[in-house]
Amino acid sequence: KAGVTQTPRYLIKTRGQQVTLSCSPISGHRSVSWYQQTPGQGLQFLFEYFSETQRNKGNFPGRFSGRQFSNSRSEMNVSTLELGDSALYLCASSLEGALRNYGYTFGSGTRLTVV
Amino acid sequence: GEDVEQSLFLSVREGDSSVINCTYTDSSSTYLYWYKQEPGAGLQLLTYIFSNMDMKQDQRLTVLLNKKDKHLSLRIADTQTGDSAIYFCAERGGSQGNLIFGKGTKLSVKP
Repeated sequence: KAGVTQTPRYLIKTRGQQVTLSCSPISGHRSVSWYQQTPGQGLQFLFEYFSETQRNKGNFPGRFSGRQFSNSRSEMNVSTLELGDSALYLCASSLEGALRNYGYTFGSGTRLTVV
Repeated sequence: GEDVEQSLFLSVREGDSSVINCTYTDSSSTYLYWYKQEPGAGLQLLTYIFSNMDMKQDQRLTVLLNKKDKHLSLRIADTQTGDSAIYFCAERGGSQGNLIFGKGTKLSVKP
């Protein structure tokens, strides 16, 4: 079966712009989580969506937002981009998310570069 | 607070065993995970262990958990050049139940 699909794979934006990243989870998975990976901070949790509702949120400013659609696909948006937002953004899907131990399956990520 | 620590680098020779260590702080963590990341790729779940287990074996992989010391290790038997990657230890715990990752251990396998 198809894995977690993230689009686009690479993105270059300028400071002050906004960006939208997309994630399609594995069919049947209702939980989608987003993580930011940078060399300095490592992997940090952004937020989790389950059945179209944000269930958990990490410690990121309000410029970072997301949503989930009825087909479980998720988007995350970053407004007023800063140079420090350059990172690999990873999406992970699971059957039940935090409530059960179904291992999270990660996508290949979107590499965002802010110039 | 919640924190996961790993050594940053490990170098082994092909055919040897590799042992990657991790310590975590959240004693309420229910599941602990090992993920592998190859260059340019996302994270691949290798294995996980429930907190009431001491050991789990899966082919070449052995996970040991010392809950008293909050120490987790991943042993890779007969390490191959294809095992070269970054290995992340992660715990699921805390109030939100999200994954908390270590900084990753870069494993280099020399032929």
